[in-house]
Amino acid sequence: DTGVSQDPRHKITKRGQNVTFRCDPISEHNRLYWYRQTLGQGPEFLTYFQNEAQLEKSRLLSDRFSAERPKGSFSTLEIQRTEQGDSAMYLCASSLDQANSYEQYFGPGTRLTVT
Amino acid sequence: AQTVTQSQPEMSVQEAETVTLSCTYDTSESDYYLFWYKQPPSRQMILVIRQEAYKQQNATENRFSVNFQKAAKSFSLKISDSQLGDAAMYFCAIEASSWGKLQFGAGTQVVVTP
Repeated sequence: DTGVSQDPRHKITKRGQNVTFRCDPISEHNRLYWYRQTLGQGPEFLTYFQNEAQLEKSRLLSDRFSAERPKGSFSTLEIQRTEQGDSAMYLCASSLDQANSYEQYFGPGTRLTVT
Repeated sequence: AQTVTQSQPEMSVQEAETVTLSCTYDTSESDYYLFWYKQPPSRQMILVIRQEAYKQQNATENRFSVNFQKAAKSFSLKISDSQLGDAAMYFCAIEASSWGKLQFGAGTQVVVTP
């Protein structure tokens, strides 16, 4: 069990640039989640996938945000035309969708700083 | 809408002592799960303990236990015999079987003093 991995761990970008983050879930997990966490706050849900299907998107996920999970394996989260308000920790989590088990395992996160 | 409230921004405890973190929630769902997650500084979030809402018995994991009061929608975490390694931000969270996502509280910072 190698756990959930995220790349990069840190990203500094200038306002207006596009950024893309990657998440590799635990191999047998069919659900993958993206959350955003700002300083001093709890994570906020952005979106989640079951296999390759994106089942729900939060209203927090503006048109500048897009997430994909091709082939139901890794996932990418892209932010276009970044704004300073996008600065946050972006967390990925995965879980196995089975009865009586909703435990989500989190990755280390990608810290985004928009200057 | 689901909400999770953690009213204690910070709690301090001495080593070997006990501390209790409070959490209240609101949901109209009948089938849901409650969690406490720990997030050490600059480290990833890990699950401390979980509770199925349909179970009356309070969950226990070694030094960590919960007091689940379903009618009051309360879910507190007790850390016994506190250790320096327990210092972290603790988040209470809820997930309903119909949602597919966690709703977190704002967190409680636990400080452990020698």
